[in-house]
Amino acid sequence: AQSVTQPDIHITVSEGASLELRCNYSYGATPYLFWYVQSPGQGLQLLLKYFSGDTLVQGIKGFEAEFKRSQSSFNLRKPSVHWSDAAEYFCAVLRMDSSYKLIFGSGTRLLVRP
Amino acid sequence: DVKVTQSSRYLVKRTGEKVFLECVQDMDHENMFWYRQDPGLGLRLIYFSYDVKMKEKGDIPEGYSVSREKKERFSLILESASTNQTSMYLCASSLYQGGEGEQYFGPGTRLTVT
Repeated sequence: AQSVTQPDIHITVSEGASLELRCNYSYGATPYLFWYVQSPGQGLQLLLKYFSGDTLVQGIKGFEAEFKRSQSSFNLRKPSVHWSDAAEYFCAVLRMDSSYKLIFGSGTRLLVRP
Repeated sequence: DVKVTQSSRYLVKRTGEKVFLECVQDMDHENMFWYRQDPGLGLRLIYFSYDVKMKEKGDIPEGYSVSREKKERFSLILESASTNQTSMYLCASSLYQGGEGEQYFGPGTRLTVT
């Protein structure tokens, strides 16, 4: 069965520091992968997505993610974190059973130190 | 831009009440979803609809029902609210075909059952 794991529940970084949020998936073929961000009290906003092609994908707000098939990973990165990036981040994979459902990880909460 | 709206941001109901949560999307999406979000558990799918009057159970349908009489509107119904249904409820929509499965989310309804 497909699954998504986000091993870090909380991460704290200083403003201006680089960021990497981890995501591992289980699926035999090339998955469709997503990163969403949820600001406090809000719904989820799509940051970026990967379906095929270039394994480094660019998203909104200066985020990028790299698909690594050998490691079954899709880690999210940002070179310099801003205080407004404090939020919860969810990785998701599309179920490949034509249902168009997403499987979400449990989320990583990012705290930003001034 | 896709817009998904939910009828209430905050709702307080008493145990045993019948509760309706409404969701409307304006992009002619075929698929609509209801999730609940609880700390440490991520997003869990309650129900899913891929067409008018069509519905499919998600991972945690017990205690909930849904209605989709019009393409743009998807309602979640708690027939007899209980305190363990206190949660954040998120609605989402996506294209059935032609897209890559990314879902667009509403702002959420925080429901408290007392």
